[in-house]
Amino acid sequence: SQQGEEDPQALSIQEGENATMNCSYKTSINNLQWYRQNSGRGLVHLILIRSNEREKHSGRLRVTLDTSKKSSSLLITASRAADTASYFCATARDNAGNMLTFGGGTRLMVKP
Amino acid sequence: DAGITQSPRHKVTETGTPVTLRCHQTENHRYMYWYRQDPGHGLRLIHYSYGVKDTDKGEVSDGYSVSRSKTEDFLLTLESATSSQTSVYFCAISATSGRSNEQFFGPGTRLTVL
Repeated sequence: SQQGEEDPQALSIQEGENATMNCSYKTSINNLQWYRQNSGRGLVHLILIRSNEREKHSGRLRVTLDTSKKSSSLLITASRAADTASYFCATARDNAGNMLTFGGGTRLMVKP
Repeated sequence: DAGITQSPRHKVTETGTPVTLRCHQTENHRYMYWYRQDPGHGLRLIHYSYGVKDTDKGEVSDGYSVSRSKTEDFLLTLESATSSQTSVYFCAISATSGRSNEQFFGPGTRLTVL
């Protein structure tokens, strides 16, 4: 099974609404990262949150991390049609060297 | 795509043939990675490199080998392609260890093994 599991697998909202995606993981981590993938393209890094941080902001993005629950959430506020993409969380485990482990992703569709 | 190119972008091959995918970077980053992406599995790490001639296995390395003779090039070889290796392959780079910093991804190679 995967270290990171995103929930929901798919999300459809109207432009202007907020989108929340969740990620759960199983083992202790050094940090957790969120990436976006537009259809047919490579992944793009959005934000990194370290295990000693609880919340981080970047523009319209807000990420939270709860290490006691082994979960993270990504909130996109005031969504736009251009936010339509798949979003992946990736965890850097303490005992996994240089490796990131990616979840299965959440497919977000923002309708204009 | 952060100075990363992958070649070929698309390839169709037959079971049992060897296949080599190339990743080329112009960023002079130390770390390079090969992932495969399949529906329902997200991205899974195949191999990575932490310097010229320094490589290590990822979680799905069976059936794959890699080589890095120059900083800018990281080759992924499927010794004898199988249908289960049909996938989209992504190369990624990072300046420092990818576990503590962002990774930059290439555009991907879609490989079909018949």
